[in-house]
Amino acid sequence: EDQVTQSPEALRLQEGESSSLNCSYTVSGLRGLFWYRQDPGKGPEFLFTLYSAGEEKEKERLKATLTKKESFLHITAPKPEDSATYLCAVQAMNRDDKIIFGKGTRLHILP
Amino acid sequence: DTGVSQNPRHKITKRGQNVTFRCDPISEHNRLYWYRQTLGQGPEFLTYFQNEAQLEKSRLLSDRFSAERPKGSFSTLEIQRTEQGDSAMYLCASSRAVRADEQYFGPGTRLTVT
Repeated sequence: EDQVTQSPEALRLQEGESSSLNCSYTVSGLRGLFWYRQDPGKGPEFLFTLYSAGEEKEKERLKATLTKKESFLHITAPKPEDSATYLCAVQAMNRDDKIIFGKGTRLHILP
Repeated sequence: DTGVSQNPRHKITKRGQNVTFRCDPISEHNRLYWYRQTLGQGPEFLTYFQNEAQLEKSRLLSDRFSAERPKGSFSTLEIQRTEQGDSAMYLCASSRAVRADEQYFGPGTRLTVT
């Protein structure tokens, strides 16, 4: 069964303290792995799509990487406005419809 | 604003009542998805449309739930005889499905069943 596990569930960092969020996945052939940001009471905001192992994508202070079993979202020198829940999701090669989400990592950046 | 829009943003209803939510996708997107999200969980897939055709429904979508997308434009999600367990955020997303399904989400409709 396709599955996504994110860790840690919650993370508190000081402003400027870099860290990484983990997304482990099990899928029968990966079509794509997605990262989203979600602020309280709002819909998820698309960040990145990764397609194959070794691929990396960057946006401002965020960099997403992908291996055959997991993805990391690296946050460099975070600011308080980076505080949000970060969701990881996967889409299987043989299923061009359903996307399976993890439970997310709640990130809180202290000023 | 050319993003996904959802109405209403909040709905409070009494148990047993029917409710209907609307989603307007990004205009050039042919795929439209409905998800449900409860506190502390990621979005859970409910159903999806390609143009006007409903192609898949999750086991989570009981007989009390029905979705339509007439003419392949906006979509509605109706819940009949609401139960307290239906309280959740209902999210709509749309995509073009070019390579992988980069889905763009609306702000959601928060349903509270009392």
